[in-house]
Amino acid sequence: RKEVEQDPGPFNVPEGATVAFNCTYSNSASQSFFWYRQDCRKEPKLLMSVYSSGNEDGRFTAQLNRASQYISLLIRDSKLSDSATYLCVVNMIGHTPLVFGKGTRLSVIA
Amino acid sequence: ETGVTQSPTHLIKTRGQQVTLRCSSQSGHNTVSWYQQALGQGPQFIFQYYREEENGRGNFPPRFSGLQFPNYSSELNVNALELDDSALYLCASSLAGQGGYGYTFGSGTRLTVV
Repeated sequence: RKEVEQDPGPFNVPEGATVAFNCTYSNSASQSFFWYRQDCRKEPKLLMSVYSSGNEDGRFTAQLNRASQYISLLIRDSKLSDSATYLCVVNMIGHTPLVFGKGTRLSVIA
Repeated sequence: ETGVTQSPTHLIKTRGQQVTLRCSSQSGHNTVSWYQQALGQGPQFIFQYYREEENGRGNFPPRFSGLQFPNYSSELNVNALELDDSALYLCASSLAGQGGYGYTFGSGTRLTVV
């Protein structure tokens, strides 16, 4: 079983749609959680950290359920510029590396 | 504050050759991690360097090796290149003790092995 699993995608949605991405992680020792965005042929960039209390940044909402080892990302009112691959990322306590999911590609269509 | 710089941006090598990729870390960071990202996959952890020593390694063979220098910059060396080594190689710098926070990625080196 992969450490971090994401929806396989791709997701093709019209502008203005709401889209949700799901992610599960296998290691219960994971301590920090993130969503990264990666544009085609570019490096991953941090979109937002994910906290148990849930957090929101404009049109983006992230949720974490530690009991279910589940992370989600909701994008409301999708824009063309949201088209990218979204990577679910976890990290364990201590000097350990980031562990990435495979990514889910989103295409927002006019 | 300078970001993470990787060189070269692209290169093409022949199977069996050796390659060295370079990474300069962000100012104030002391840890460098290397990742391999094959097409359509997420980045896979290769290894991490802290205080000039390897401090964690993913599931990669010994022909993948690295160095970290006193200024925290780093090199990734791959010997005996194979076709499957074709990928985007990403370097990320961070500050030890920050957990998963504060990672900065370079723009990557795209390696093609023919």
